Formats: sequence, C-alpha cells, structure tokens
Amino acid sequence: NAGVTQTPKFQVLKTGQSMTLQCAQDMNHEYMSWYRQDPGMGLRLIHYSVGAGITDQGEVPNGYNVSRSTTEDFPLRLLSAAPSQTSVYFCASRVREQANTEAFFGQGTRLTVV
Amino acid sequence: DQQVKQNSPSLSVQEGRISILNCDYTNSMFDYFLWYKKYPAEGPTFLISISSIKDKNEDGRFTVFLNKSAKHLSLHIVPSQPGDSAVYFCAAPYPLYDSARQLTFGSGTQLTVLP
Repeated sequence: NAGVTQTPKFQVLKTGQSMTLQCAQDMNHEYMSWYRQDPGMGLRLIHYSVGAGITDQGEVPNGYNVSRSTTEDFPLRLLSAAPSQTSVYFCASRVREQANTEAFFGQGTRLTVV
Repeated sequence: DQQVKQNSPSLSVQEGRISILNCDYTNSMFDYFLWYKKYPAEGPTFLISISSIKDKNEDGRFTVFLNKSAKHLSLHIVPSQPGDSAVYFCAAPYPLYDSARQLTFGSGTQLTVLP
C-alpha cells in the first residue's frame, strides 16, 4: 500500500517557468490537500479538495492552480514560478467520514525557484 | 495571524528524561488537536490526538495534555529516546463550522534527544 505519492522529490525552476507537482493516493480518500512548509511558519494550506470535481482555496492560494478529475490524483500547478515559491510542498489525504481524522502526508517535493 | 502557536523553535533533552513540547491556541472553539512528527526529507506522520472533551490522552510513551482555560496543550514524551529527534507540529481542524475543515498547523518545535 503506497499511501500518498508525490513526484518529483526535487525540482529547480527558473523564474517564470510553469510546472505541475503530482500527487496520487491509493487509499480512496475523499479529502486531499496541498501544504507548503517554510522555515518558522509551519505548514500552510494552499488548496484542498473534498472530492472529484470540487476544489477550494486555502490560506496561501495565489500563484497556484489545482484540479481534481479523479479521487486518486490531485496535481498542483505553478503558473509562473517566483522565488517566493521556493519551499517544500506536501500533499495530504484523509477520509471523509469523520471530520477529525488525521491526514496522511506524502514525502514532499523540494522546489527551488532561481 | 497564526491560530496555533509553538513558541519554542527548539528543545534539547537528555536520553531517558522527559520531553515537554508546548502549543498555544487562540480560538477557544477549537474542539480537536493533533500532534505530528516529522523527520528530515519525510512527510509529517500522525502521532497522537486529543478531543476537547478530554484533558489527557495517552499512547505508550506519548501523552498529550489539554488545558482549555489556558488554551494550551502539551506533548510529553517519557522516556525520551534518540529516535524521537524530529520536528513536532501541533495542529487543529479549521474552520470549525465546515465539515471539510482542514488542518491549521503551528510552526513546529525541533526536538533533539542527546544520547
């Protein structure tokens, strides 16, 4: 059981480039979300989805786009990369039935924008 | 403004002693709290949780205490082991009225357990 899988693990982008961070889960979880981790700031929510076809913004959504065409996949798109988007990105999923269940995280994607 | 705060960025403890990690929150309506542990180059993993109807939850070496009047929770690790060295995050589901609520995290505390 792979859990939550993120690709790539590392990426270097030039300012203005676009890219997609991939996230897939095999636990049939309805809820998926993207966080970024920056020093001294913990994990901040970027976007989340409560099911296929349904997405919503989190705390820091600017510069990012998401879509959820299947239960399994939740890609995060950087439209025009900026140095401020240098961060570690985590995808997470959890079951829908209980609002207080814990989230399962992927291993992260370390992104550097130069 | 962060609703969940961890004011100690780091903590060092001798192996075998108790580690106490602290977390404060600002919204008295929070009704559930979780602790996550994170090793370098890995994603956070769930450690322990507590509902606001309780003031203590224990799981092996890990105990979480909740003081609702002070809006404060703490994670106790007894005895501490070198493998416990990691970043610890406290988190709470938010917003409270939304069944799809996501987690809001504190900034984390780096625990180092010295052999």
